Amino acid sequence: DIQMTQSPSSLSASVGDRVTITCRASQGIGNYLAWYQQKPGKAPKLLIYVASTLQSGVPSRFSGSGSGTDFTLTISSLQPEDVATYYCQKYKTAPRTFGQGTKVEIK
Amino acid sequence: QVQLQESGPGLVKPSGTLSLTCAVSGGSISSTNWWTWVRQPPGKGLEWIGEIYHSGSPNYNPSLKSRVTISVDNSKNQFSLDLTSITAADTAVYYCASQKGGSLDNWGQGTLVTVSS
Repeated sequence: DIQMTQSPSSLSASVGDRVTITCRASQGIGNYLAWYQQKPGKAPKLLIYVASTLQSGVPSRFSGSGSGTDFTLTISSLQPEDVATYYCQKYKTAPRTFGQGTKVEIK
Repeated sequence: QVQLQESGPGLVKPSGTLSLTCAVSGGSISSTNWWTWVRQPPGKGLEWIGEIYHSGSPNYNPSLKSRVTISVDNSKNQFSLDLTSITAADTAVYYCASQKGGSLDNWGQGTLVTVSS
């Protein structure tokens, strides 16, 4: 099965900072990758699909890129409401595995 | 927009069977969507359990395949999860979700299932 590895596992940044999270697949998955945001006590929320398409209603400061095995989620200007854990998920084939998550905090 | 609501017992005994249902509203389960179960142990990450199309043909996580059954009830517009031979390691928040092209665009609020005697 294809494994998904995120880095870093956690990060702390200041409001207004540019934040980048990386997700690596153990085999190529094309652009069949999604990013989710999960705030404490809440269900995950879809941010990005097919690696770079923003879900409706998601602020434009979020962006995604990559294909094949290497992907990134970027927050161009970190806001207090972006404090959350972010997960990537590959969905080309089952099992549709998640990365282990990246916790984003405000410095 | 489709809305999803999980239901089921919050406490299950070890070695028993965990059974959850996800009610779908605002849309038909017989649409083109796939329907998914995901779980999250306390303080840990998300684990994909499996998925089913409205006509059947489920896919399961290989790590759980021997214990998992996902089924769909078109007449009740809901789908279900059964997990057998449960242990404390199965304690988690269980989410149901709908897929759009593979990604999970709508989620239920989640239900905590605790395994304890």
